Amino acid sequence: AQSVTQLDSHVSVSEGTPVLLRCNYSSSYSPSLFWYVQHPNKGLQLLLKYTSAATLVKGINGFEAEFKKSETSVHLTKPSAHMSDAAEYFCVVSTTSGTYKYIFGTGTRLKVLA
Amino acid sequence: DTAVSQTPKYLVTQMGNDKSIKCEQNLGHDTMYWYKQDSKKFLKIMFSYNNKELIINETVPNRFSPKSPDKAHLNLHINSLELGDSAVYFCASSQVQDRGSEQYFGPGTRLTVT
Repeated sequence: AQSVTQLDSHVSVSEGTPVLLRCNYSSSYSPSLFWYVQHPNKGLQLLLKYTSAATLVKGINGFEAEFKKSETSVHLTKPSAHMSDAAEYFCVVSTTSGTYKYIFGTGTRLKVLA
Repeated sequence: DTAVSQTPKYLVTQMGNDKSIKCEQNLGHDTMYWYKQDSKKFLKIMFSYNNKELIINETVPNRFSPKSPDKAHLNLHINSLELGDSAVYFCASSQVQDRGSEQYFGPGTRLTVT
């Protein structure tokens, strides 16, 4: 069965410093993985998706994710945090057989300090 | 143009009442979903329809009944509301039912049961 674990429930960074949000996954087959962002009182917006094409995937708003099969990780990074990045981030894996559905991680709240 | 829209945005009601939430997508997608986000921000799928056919029905009380009158609409009706139904409900859609297909989310409906 597929699952994802977001290793940090809260991350605080200063504006202009790098962001690292960690996610490990479990999947029997090549996974489809997604990162979503949820700003306060808003819906979820897709940041990027990984579907086995490349190990480094670029997303929107300067975010990217590196897929490491040996570590079963797909950590989300951004070189320089902006105040507007403060939000909840979700790592998601799709099931790989039968009726496909999303399995969500528990989320990481990113706080950006001025 | 809003891609996935939900009405109402906020819903406050008393225990025992019946209420409905409506969802519409103008993306031409085949598949639609309902998710529940609890107070700890955890997201879990409830239902999914593909071309008006129910394909995912998680262990949800049968007080919850989805209805898809056409591919662009997926409504959620809840009977005999309980305190534990208080949550944010998100509608989403994807182009096809495929593990690599990204989902687009609506803005959410915050349901408060008193």
